[in-house]
Amino acid sequence: AQSVTQPDIHITVSEGASLELRCNYSYGATPYLFWYVQSPGQGLQLLLKYFSGDTLVQGIKGFEAEFKRSQSSFNLRKPSVHWSDAAEYFCAVGLNRDDKIIFGKGTRLHILP
Amino acid sequence: GAVVSQHPSRVICKSGTSVKIECRSLDFQATTMFWYRQFPKKSLMLMATSNEGSKATYEQGVEKDKFLINHASLTLSTLTVTSAHPEDSSFYICSATGTGAGNTIYFGEGSWLTVV
Repeated sequence: AQSVTQPDIHITVSEGASLELRCNYSYGATPYLFWYVQSPGQGLQLLLKYFSGDTLVQGIKGFEAEFKRSQSSFNLRKPSVHWSDAAEYFCAVGLNRDDKIIFGKGTRLHILP
Repeated sequence: GAVVSQHPSRVICKSGTSVKIECRSLDFQATTMFWYRQFPKKSLMLMATSNEGSKATYEQGVEKDKFLINHASLTLSTLTVTSAHPEDSSFYICSATGTGAGNTIYFGEGSWLTVV
């Protein structure tokens, strides 16, 4: 069965600093990978997804993620964070483009002024 | 993009009563819908997968008789929490995909359930 690990429960960075959120997956075949963001009390917003092709994926709000098959990773990055980026970030894996999605436990991002 | 709408966004019910949450696909035919549950400050746990016209497939550990899922049409799935208890209080999110969704899963806005 597929699974997702987000090793960092909390991450704190200063506004303007760069960000990397880690995600490792476990799945035997080619995974379908996603990053979602959730603000407190709100629903999910899709930041980006990887299905195939270029392993560096660009998303919304200036985020990008890189798929590394050798490391089973799909880390999320942003060169310069804004205070509005403070939220919960979920990495997720799917069996297919439109099959059930399994979520990691999330990483809470805190931004220092 | 496609839109999935949940209703109600917030609901409070008394212990022992049942409450229904609706998940609608507004501009595509949702042949498959998924229901998730999220405890405060926790991750999303997949509860079940429902295909239109079929019985839902529940994940291990989810009580079928307590969380009734109906997916009788291509635009609507419902989750009914029966004999609700305070521990059922949670954030419930649905997602959907199907014809016209472009091989993409779309999430609803979620529904907060508080059982008092």
